[in-house]
Amino acid sequence: GAGVSQSPSNKVTEKGKDVELRCDPISGHTALYWYRQSLGQGLEFLIYFQGNSAPDKSGLPSDRFSAERTGGSVSTLTIQRTQQEDSAVYLCASRRIGSEYNEQFFGPGTRLTVL
Amino acid sequence: SQELEQSPQSLIVQEGKNLTINCTSSKTLYGLYWYKQKYGEGLIFLMMLQKGGEEKSHEKITAKLDEKKQQSSLHITASQPSHAGIYLCGADHGNKLVFGAGTILRVKS
Repeated sequence: GAGVSQSPSNKVTEKGKDVELRCDPISGHTALYWYRQSLGQGLEFLIYFQGNSAPDKSGLPSDRFSAERTGGSVSTLTIQRTQQEDSAVYLCASRRIGSEYNEQFFGPGTRLTVL
Repeated sequence: SQELEQSPQSLIVQEGKNLTINCTSSKTLYGLYWYKQKYGEGLIFLMMLQKGGEEKSHEKITAKLDEKKQQSSLHITASQPSHAGIYLCGADHGNKLVFGAGTILRVKS
């Protein structure tokens, strides 16, 4: 079956522009996570969606960052008024809550470059 | 300081040699994940450990969690160039994984 997919794979944008990053989780996975990976900061948690519960936004670095998950499936991470420090690889992961292995499956990531 | 400390930060080994990567937590671990990442790619799941003293193996990779559930090690036997990459340990907090900084492994042929 298909794994977690993300699009675009690469995004170059100018400072101040808005960007949208998309994540398609594995079908049937109710939990979805966004992480950011940048030099010097490692892999950081951004936001967590689980079913119909309110998302855990505790990792979002500023109010320029937002995310939504429509229909319990596809998720979009939006960064408004991008800054150079937003340049990073944005990774999405999904998980089947309650499964024996409880593994988080990661997508290939979106590499964002803000000029 | 980070919740998870990985050592070493980087490692270069000759093909065929064994190696060990360590992951130490400042808190009791309720789930510890090991992932591998190739440059420009996503994370590949290796193993997950939950019980004190647990040990799991897959092919030439063995991961252990100590009895106190604060330290894990990843051991690769007879390393191959295909083992090269970044190894990350992650602590399961339910709503997220908290990762160590990673260990960069290079395998010389």
